[in-house]
Order: sequence, then C-alpha cells, then structure tokens
Amino acid sequence: EAGVTQFPSHSVIEKGQTVTLRCDPISGHDNLYWYRRVMGKEIKFLLHFVKESKQDESGMPNNRFLAERTGGTYSTLKVQPAELEDSGVYFCASSPRGNTQYFGPGTRLTVL
Amino acid sequence: TQLLEQSPQFLSIQEGENLTVYCNSSSVFSSLQWYRQEPGEGPVLLVTVVTGGEVKKLKRLTFQFGDARKDSSLHITAAQPGDTGLYLCAVPRGGYQKVTFGTGTKLQVIP
Repeated sequence: EAGVTQFPSHSVIEKGQTVTLRCDPISGHDNLYWYRRVMGKEIKFLLHFVKESKQDESGMPNNRFLAERTGGTYSTLKVQPAELEDSGVYFCASSPRGNTQYFGPGTRLTVL
Repeated sequence: TQLLEQSPQFLSIQEGENLTVYCNSSSVFSSLQWYRQEPGEGPVLLVTVVTGGEVKKLKRLTFQFGDARKDSSLHITAAQPGDTGLYLCAVPRGGYQKVTFGTGTKLQVIP
C-alpha cells in the first residue's frame, strides 16, 4: 500500500511569489491534515479535511494560505504571496477514521 | 509557553548505552503518543499510551505514561545506530482530530 506522498519535496521561491504544495493521502483515507514546522519550532497543526470539507482550519496562520481538497482525494495548499516567515517544512497526514495519522515526507519550502 | 516540553533537546551517545528522554506538561491528557522522525521523512507513530502509569514496550524501547497523565518517558536499552532520529511526544486533541507535538529530542547513536 502506498503511503502519503507530497510534491514537491523541496521548493525555493522568492518573497511575493506563489507556491502550491500537493498531498496525496493513502487511498481510502477520508481524513487529511496539514501541519508545518518552521525553523526551531515544533510541528504545528494547520487544518483538517474530512473528505472535501474543512473540519478545522484553526491553525491556518493567515489568509495568504488556502487549502483545498476537491473531490475528497488529493489536497493542495497554496501560499500567496509567500513571505520569509513561511519557510519551513510542510507535512501532510491522513487517517481512515481520525485515529492514527500517517505522515508524508514533507515539502521543504524556502522563501528568499 | 510550550504545551509539551521535551528533554534533553539533543543527545549523542555511543552504541550500546541506555538513555531516557522525557516529555513534560502541566496539563492532564487522556492519551499521549510517541513518534520517531528520520531525516527526509515524516513522523512515524511508535506508541499510544492512555492509562496513568501505563508501560508499553516496543523491542528495546520502553514507554511510560505518568501516573497523573501529565508526563511520559521513553527509555531505550542498548541503543543502536538505527535508533538515531528525532523523537517527538504528542497529544491527540479533539478526538484525534489533530495532534499537538512536543519540542522534540534529537538522538544520535554513534557506532
């Protein structure tokens, strides 16, 4: 069974540009989560989808971040416009029933 | 203020040594998890403890949940280079709807 996959693995952009991160959850997992770790800090929750609906987006830092999960399959997280403080590693996780979460390898975002 | 404080932050030991890492909080939790993260990978769940005083073993790893369910420890016996990684304690919140992670302990086991 394939695990959670994320694309790209690494993205380097300039401040003010737009970046879109993609997450493909494990097939059949209705729950999808986004987390991020910024430099020197702990991993923090961003938001949670159940199928295509946003269940909890309390961790989204501001309106420059937009997450979507059209059709309840893969999800995208767009940052527009990117700022320096958005640099970090963005993790996606999925779970079948909201219990054990399986994490992807992360996307390392560097904003210059 | 961090919800989950882990200590030590960094640990470098020789192969074969024993070690203990700690996860502390002032809050009471219904359950607590430990994850291991290797470079270039996401966190992988090792164990979930749910009862105060509970002890779980996973090969050479022993996990304990504090009696008051505010803290936890992870003890590794005879550490191996393959144990190298970032160890994270974490608390599932909102009925496992999201996970709050600790500050992490970075372990290096030198052959």
